[in-house]
Amino acid sequence: GAGVSQSPSNKVTEKGKDVELRCDPISGHTALYWYRQSLGQGLEFLIYFQGNSAPDKSGLPSDRFSAERTGGSVSTLTIQRTQQEDSAVYLCASSPAGGGSGNTIYFGEGSWLTVV
Amino acid sequence: KQEVTQIPAALSVPEGENLVLNCSFTDSAIYNLQWFRQDPGKGLTSLLLIQSSQREQTSGRLNASLDKSSGRSTLYIAASQPGDSATYLCAASGGSYIPTFGRGTSLIVHP
Repeated sequence: GAGVSQSPSNKVTEKGKDVELRCDPISGHTALYWYRQSLGQGLEFLIYFQGNSAPDKSGLPSDRFSAERTGGSVSTLTIQRTQQEDSAVYLCASSPAGGGSGNTIYFGEGSWLTVV
Repeated sequence: KQEVTQIPAALSVPEGENLVLNCSFTDSAIYNLQWFRQDPGKGLTSLLLIQSSQREQTSGRLNASLDKSSGRSTLYIAASQPGDSATYLCAASGGSYIPTFGRGTSLIVHP
């Protein structure tokens, strides 16, 4: 596909269950970002992958959140023991290189997570 | 820590008006600043990217300027149309290569 692809687009889960959100970046993009956007709030940075470097996990809100990127391409964001405050849109973005290098960042449509 | 503020938070204007959306950032050591558009229920679409060495970028009816020394960027929309209705976000990228976003300006252009 031409753009960043995220799945599922919508997910309703029960409190306490684990969820996995998937991101397929644009082919060849080495930088991948996860952000969270809660209702009426701005984008909250979660984690950043750049090539084979160790990811920047400084934005992960708790140890219930983790992410991996396999083969420098697809990324999975996992939320364990979900809480109602985890309800938000989880946005993935990719870039040909790090955003600071001057490359445009491309976003997916997001995964809407509702914890009930 | 970089902080990005956007003013106004919301704006409602009649069609045809020229608009200025404001973005300010606290750390002037940025590599670039980007403006995005977000439609309801959708992801973000990049509109313009200004490198730190540039003063402005233009695309169609959109013009974005950057003043690093004062920590400000503006997005100018000429001859606004109802199709311009959306939320506009700016993001500043610095040494960490992680863009920091403002909360956005929600724009409604009514016919």
